[in-house]
Amino acid sequence: DIVMTQSPDSLAVSLGERATINCKSSQSVLYSSNNKNYLAWYQQKPGQPPKLLIYWASTRESGVPDRFSGSGAGTDFTLTISSLQTEDVALYYCQQYYSTPITFGQGTRLEIK
Amino acid sequence: QVQLQESGPGLVKPSETLSLTCTVSGGSISTYYWSWIRQPPGKGLEWIGYIYYSGSTNYNPSLKRRVTISVDTSKNQFSLKLSSVTAADTAVYYCARVGVMATILSYFDLWGRGTLVTVSS
Repeated sequence: DIVMTQSPDSLAVSLGERATINCKSSQSVLYSSNNKNYLAWYQQKPGQPPKLLIYWASTRESGVPDRFSGSGAGTDFTLTISSLQTEDVALYYCQQYYSTPITFGQGTRLEIK
Repeated sequence: QVQLQESGPGLVKPSETLSLTCTVSGGSISTYYWSWIRQPPGKGLEWIGYIYYSGSTNYNPSLKRRVTISVDTSKNQFSLKLSSVTAADTAVYYCARVGVMATILSYFDLWGRGTLVTVSS
């Protein structure tokens, strides 16, 4: 199984400041045949299902604000929120879909400082 | 737009079988893979398995011995059965759609609201 490890477990950032969440996979999730990284990011608010933010490591889902961006390749990935808003308080998860079993990171809790 | 809705008992006794159904509305169940994912209270996400409209399945090895996922294309539904449940199976169970057509190697672009299943006597 590919183990996904996020850091930090929790993060407090001031409104308007940048928030950065990291995700590391235990093996590369880059498919050489199509040069795509099989990595997604989700946002989950209390009592709600996860919401897809980013896929293929850096492609923003339709409707997701452009303050959210994803980067990285191979085994190391980052979700960046460029200017934190109150509505961004949530849990964030990374997910690999390079191979089954599909696995998720343990989650990062983002709060307002 | 396509919506997913989970349904089934919210309470299951230990050693019994958990049964849930996901109804897909606003679109056809064909073409995509569909999945079950669960989240124990206060914990992270665990993928349970996939099914294709053809009936082809792929399960998480950690649950494979106890899991059956099936599809009913006439009702636009797919279902989860998890046998011999224990308290460790208490979780919110989500159904979800795979975002890329005809492949299991994909992110999940649509989720149901989830249903809490508690295993207790």
